[in-house]
Amino acid sequence: KQEVTQIPAALSVPEGENLVLNCSFTDSAIYNLQWFRQDPGKGLTSLLLIQSSQREQTSGRLNASLDKSSGRSTLYIAASQPGDSATYLCALNTGTASKLTFGTGTRLQVTL
Amino acid sequence: DVKVTQSSRYLVKRTGEKVFLECVQDMDHENMFWYRQDPGLGLRLIYFSYDVKMKEKGDIPEGYSVSREKKERFSLILESASTNQTSMYLCASSPSTGGGETQYFGPGTRLLVL
Repeated sequence: KQEVTQIPAALSVPEGENLVLNCSFTDSAIYNLQWFRQDPGKGLTSLLLIQSSQREQTSGRLNASLDKSSGRSTLYIAASQPGDSATYLCALNTGTASKLTFGTGTRLQVTL
Repeated sequence: DVKVTQSSRYLVKRTGEKVFLECVQDMDHENMFWYRQDPGLGLRLIYFSYDVKMKEKGDIPEGYSVSREKKERFSLILESASTNQTSMYLCASSPSTGGGETQYFGPGTRLLVL
C-alpha cells in the first residue's frame, strides 16, 4: 500500500526566504504526483502536476521536482510571501480511476 | 473554470440521523470522489464513481453510502450519523483521461455530529 510522508509538519519562515517542502513515497509505480494548496477551512487548489515521465514542473515562483527512483518530490517556493501561508499537500496518482493518495501536509507560515 | 460546489459549508446533526451531503460539478467530468479530512490523518477516500450509477469503495467506506443518478451530481449518505463521523468532507471531480489529470475540489462541508 502506498504511503506518503511530508516533513516537516509545520514550518515558519520570514518573508523573502526561499524554502523547500518535502514529500516521500514508498511505491514508485505512479502515474503522476501533484502538489495542492489548502487555505484554512477551504478546499484544495492544484498547484503543479508532474507526470511520471517528467522530472520537474514550474509555475511562477513554484518549482516541483520528482525522483521516482528515490521516492521523493520537493516543492520549492522562491521569495516567499505572507500570501503563501497555507497547508501544502502532495498526492500520488497510482492510475486506478485517478485515485489519489495524500500526504498529511506541511503547514507553512510566512511572517512579515 | 471548473466549479465544484457542495450543498452546505457547515452542518450540525444528531447521532442516528440520516445525513445527505451533495456535490455538483459543472465540467462534465466522469470521475467524482468523496474524501474526509481529519487532523493528523490527512485526506482519506471514502467512495468514488467513474460513471453514472457506478461506484467503488475507497479506503474507509464503512458507515457511508453514495448515489450518482446524474453525471454532475454525487451524493454522500451517512445512514446513521455517529460522533466519529464528525469531520471535514471534501468532494472532487476529474475527467477520465487515463490518470493524467488533476482533481478539482469543492470548498468542503464541515460536519459536526452531536
